[in-house]
Amino acid sequence: DIQLTQSPSFLSASVGDRVTVTCRASQDIGDALAWYQQNPGKAPKVLIFLASTLQSGAPSRFSGSGSGTEFTLTISSLQPEDFATYYCQQFNTYPPTFGPGTKVDIK
Amino acid sequence: EVQLVESGGGLFQPGGSLRLSCAASGFSFSNSWMHWVRQAPGKGLVWVSRINEDGRTIKYADSVKGRFTISRDNARNTLSLQMNSLRAEDTAVYYCARSPKTRYYFDLWGQGTLVTVSS
Repeated sequence: DIQLTQSPSFLSASVGDRVTVTCRASQDIGDALAWYQQNPGKAPKVLIFLASTLQSGAPSRFSGSGSGTEFTLTISSLQPEDFATYYCQQFNTYPPTFGPGTKVDIK
Repeated sequence: EVQLVESGGGLFQPGGSLRLSCAASGFSFSNSWMHWVRQAPGKGLVWVSRINEDGRTIKYADSVKGRFTISRDNARNTLSLQMNSLRAEDTAVYYCARSPKTRYYFDLWGQGTLVTVSS
């Protein structure tokens, strides 16, 4: 199975900050990567798919980049509703696998 | 409204069985690939199983193969997961989710149903 790692696992930030989360894959997955946001007690929501395509309805302050084995999720200006846990997920190779998550907390 | 609503969770004994259901509405269920994804308390997301639009192609995670069975009823817009030989490590919130065909990312999720396996 393809292993995904995320860094950092936890970060503290303030409203208005630019935030970047990194996801690394154990082998080349091309652009077959998605990013999800999960608030406590809620289901995940997809933000980005195919590494950089913004999901319909997701705010434009979210962007994704990367290919191969290294990917980033950027939030250009953190909003109060963005304090959540973010997961990357690869869908290049069966089975689909998720990263361990990055929790974004209020500084 | 486009939505998925799971039901059937609860407290179950090790070695027991249960059936989860997911009711779909607001989209073309019969034309959609559907999945189950689970999340143990305080842990990350793990894909469990997938069924294609007509139910003929099914895949499972190794951890549930031979114990869980995914199925669908397109006439009733319902996805199911039969879970047998339950183990403590099956304790999790179970989400049903939709993906685009041939791509295993999830663009619609239910609210989840908690399954607790404990004596």
